[in-house]
Amino acid sequence: GENVEQHPSTLSVQEGDSAVIKCTYSDSASNYFPWYKQELGKRPQLIIDIRSNVGEKKDQRIAVTLNKTAKHFSLHITETQPEDSAVYFCAASIAFGNDMRFGAGTRLTVKP
Amino acid sequence: DTAVSQTPKYLVTQMGNDKSIKCEQNLGHDTMYWYKQDSKKFLKIMFSYNNKELIINETVPNRFSPKSPDKAHLNLHINSLELGDSAVYFCASSQVPPGNEKLFFGSGTQLSVL
Repeated sequence: GENVEQHPSTLSVQEGDSAVIKCTYSDSASNYFPWYKQELGKRPQLIIDIRSNVGEKKDQRIAVTLNKTAKHFSLHITETQPEDSAVYFCAASIAFGNDMRFGAGTRLTVKP
Repeated sequence: DTAVSQTPKYLVTQMGNDKSIKCEQNLGHDTMYWYKQDSKKFLKIMFSYNNKELIINETVPNRFSPKSPDKAHLNLHINSLELGDSAVYFCASSQVPPGNEKLFFGSGTQLSVL
């Protein structure tokens, strides 16, 4: 089955700096890669996703890049704000599959 | 009009007891899931149901038995609870076709086994 690895496990940045979280996946059939944000005590919520036919996607301060050859995708957050502090999860799945595998999560702390 | 609702939100019980968690989605999705989030925040899939049929059953002890009476409901029954079962359990749903794989999570059930 799919195995998703995520790094780093914790990340601390100053407000205004950029944050980058990286994930790798094992199953070359995976073609959908979402990122979820989970605030303390809350449910995970989708913040951005990318499909395997796209190399990069941007939504305001967040962007995701995908390298299919290397089976690697990354989340980039620019101009970080304290409210960006949360646990971020990457995930991978196959279209028409019923299986979404998550990375271990990255706890991002943005210091004011 | 909560999209995915699960009850109870908190569940505190003694070892050896049997308990159930209920989940309902009003999004018309075909697929529902149970995920377990441990104290280290790792989200691990337990079960996946598509149109009431079991699709994925990870290496979960058979003390855990999911039940899907219809495609809008996926309940989780746990027998003989153990200390290691303490975790947050999330129900989720999605529509399978491309463009709709986004998971919608319930608010979670924090299970504490004493």
